[in-house]
Amino acid sequence: DVKVTQSSRYLVKRTGEKVFLECVQDMDHENMFWYRQDPGLGLRLIYFSYDVKMKEKGDIPEGYSVSREKKERFSLILESASTNQTSMYLCASRWTSGYEQYFGPGTRLTVT
Amino acid sequence: GENVEQHPSTLSVQEGDSAVIKCTYSDSASNYFPWYKQELGKRPQLIIDIRSNVGEKKDQRIAVTLNKTAKHFSLHITETQPEDSAVYFCAATGANSKLTFGKGITLSVRP
Repeated sequence: DVKVTQSSRYLVKRTGEKVFLECVQDMDHENMFWYRQDPGLGLRLIYFSYDVKMKEKGDIPEGYSVSREKKERFSLILESASTNQTSMYLCASRWTSGYEQYFGPGTRLTVT
Repeated sequence: GENVEQHPSTLSVQEGDSAVIKCTYSDSASNYFPWYKQELGKRPQLIIDIRSNVGEKKDQRIAVTLNKTAKHFSLHITETQPEDSAVYFCAATGANSKLTFGKGITLSVRP
């Protein structure tokens, strides 16, 4: 059974803080993704990684960076959090040879 | 890039009735079309998907149809039940196998 976990379910940070969101998968998936989910906007891709140390920008990368030093772990970094980054953040992973993405439970981030 | 439109944004049906949710996509090269269901407070989960070489796929009470010429695909749920109430997202895979999601539709099944 595929398991994708995220470091926190809820997080409250102050404007200007550096924020780390972590995602871990246990299925040896090559590909990993970070999305943000906002009401009425669906799921929007922030960054994705095809494999270790590889990363590509998604549709809304501004204000974010990522790190993938190990295959099972994909980190999303907010260098200087702003209130417009208050959102639900979802991580997902999949095999390169597959199509289905498996999602983590999400982190609800509030920036005050 | 790919653009996926999903209409309507909300849908309410009586228990036992059928529900149809439609999506359109823009990239004719897209070849994979999944549907995800997200219950309140939970993660999105794949419920059915279709590849571009197939016109229809069915799994018990749910089915998906694909019209490549018109670039639209639909989710059909028959004999709806209260547990079908959720947000449903369609998506399409375009360049680099990235998934582009629609904005989601909230389905409410009235008992």
